[in-house]
Amino acid sequence: NAGVMQNPRHLVRRRGQEARLRCSPMKGHSHVYWYRQLPEEGLKFMVYLQKENIIDESGMPKERFSAEFPKEGPSILRIQQVVRGDSAAYFCASSLGTATQETQYFGPGTRLLVL
Amino acid sequence: GNSVTQMEGPVTLSEEAFLTINCTYTATGYPSLFWYVQYPGEGLQLLLKATKADDKGSNKGFEATYRKETTSFHLEKGSVQVSDSAVYFCALSAMDTGRRALTFGSGTRLQVQP
Repeated sequence: NAGVMQNPRHLVRRRGQEARLRCSPMKGHSHVYWYRQLPEEGLKFMVYLQKENIIDESGMPKERFSAEFPKEGPSILRIQQVVRGDSAAYFCASSLGTATQETQYFGPGTRLLVL
Repeated sequence: GNSVTQMEGPVTLSEEAFLTINCTYTATGYPSLFWYVQYPGEGLQLLLKATKADDKGSNKGFEATYRKETTSFHLEKGSVQVSDSAVYFCALSAMDTGRRALTFGSGTRLQVQP
């Protein structure tokens, strides 16, 4: 059973470009979460999605960041007009989403470097 | 709001030493508690979890007990190995309040020397 998949693993962008990060949840999981990890820090929650719905985006910056989880295909975290402060590791997690199966399983992350 | 506090690292131990990494939390309701481990350059792996008071999570020789009276979930291992060197994160989720997002501590780096 494949785990959570993320690509690319590493992404380099220049200031002002767009970054697109993709996440495929574990088979059977319908809930996706995005977290950001700045160097030497813990993970901070960004957004929680179900298929075609954003459930909780309380951790998303108000500008330049957006996320989607379409009916078909992976979840996408999009960062427009990247700045150096966006350099971080972005982790996706997925869960079954039932009341008793709340454990989140993490992907390997995408390490974004903004030059 | 919810928060998790971990002891600062790095923690440096010799092989076969006893390990304790302290974790305390603040949350409304009855959160579930987790320990995740992150090896260099990799994502987080679930190490163990506990979903209610007095539950003990265990895996690969690691243990942690959910103590509601002290709001703690300390990680312990009786005899560490070099391969345990990693960063350990304590986390909680408050599904009972409708919030599924995990709240993480800042992480504790463990270095085990041969």
